[in-house]
Amino acid sequence: GNSVTQMEGPVTLSEEAFLTINCTYTATGYPSLFWYVQYPGEGLQLLLKATKADDKGSNKGFEATYRKETTSFHLEKGSVQVSDSAVYFCALSVRGYQKVTFGIGTKLQVIP
Amino acid sequence: GAVVSQHPSWVICKSGTSVKIECRSLDFQATTMFWYRQFPKQSLMLMATSNEGSKATYEQGVEKDKFLINHASLTLSTLTVTSAHPEDSSFYICSASTGFGLMNTEAFFGQGTRLTVV
Repeated sequence: GNSVTQMEGPVTLSEEAFLTINCTYTATGYPSLFWYVQYPGEGLQLLLKATKADDKGSNKGFEATYRKETTSFHLEKGSVQVSDSAVYFCALSVRGYQKVTFGIGTKLQVIP
Repeated sequence: GAVVSQHPSWVICKSGTSVKIECRSLDFQATTMFWYRQFPKQSLMLMATSNEGSKATYEQGVEKDKFLINHASLTLSTLTVTSAHPEDSSFYICSASTGFGLMNTEAFFGQGTRLTVV
């Protein structure tokens, strides 16, 4: 079956620190990979995606590279802001946006 | 992106009662809706997929008689947890898409509902 593994957190960083949230996956078939973000009181929003090996998804200063050889899709940002505080979900699907399999979600807290 | 509103955000109910959760697409017509749940310390898992006007398709292990899904219109889907028990306590979240199961049509998420059964 399909599964996604990521650290639960919380991850606490100071403003302008470097962020890495690790994500690894197992999948039957060739998955698309996603990072979703959920800000307090809001729904999950698609942050970035990659659909094939070596693709790099990027948005709002965040980026992640689809690494087929290590089955990973780690999320990175060079300088976090307080407004980045949220829960981040790594996810995959072998059917585009349909039937998405999520990780447990990682809570990020950025302090001034 | 499009807006999906889920209501209520949290609910506490007594064991044996039923609870209804609503999922509305506010500015688009949602031909397909998805319901997910997340148990503590576990991943968010797909429960069922529904297309407007047809019966929901449930994932393996999800009881369709316990989790009633009604996709009554192009802007509303409801999940009713019938005869709720403490083990049904979970985080439930919906998503909505304009595609009839089309792979490349993005699905937009509600904010989720925290259900606690006491």
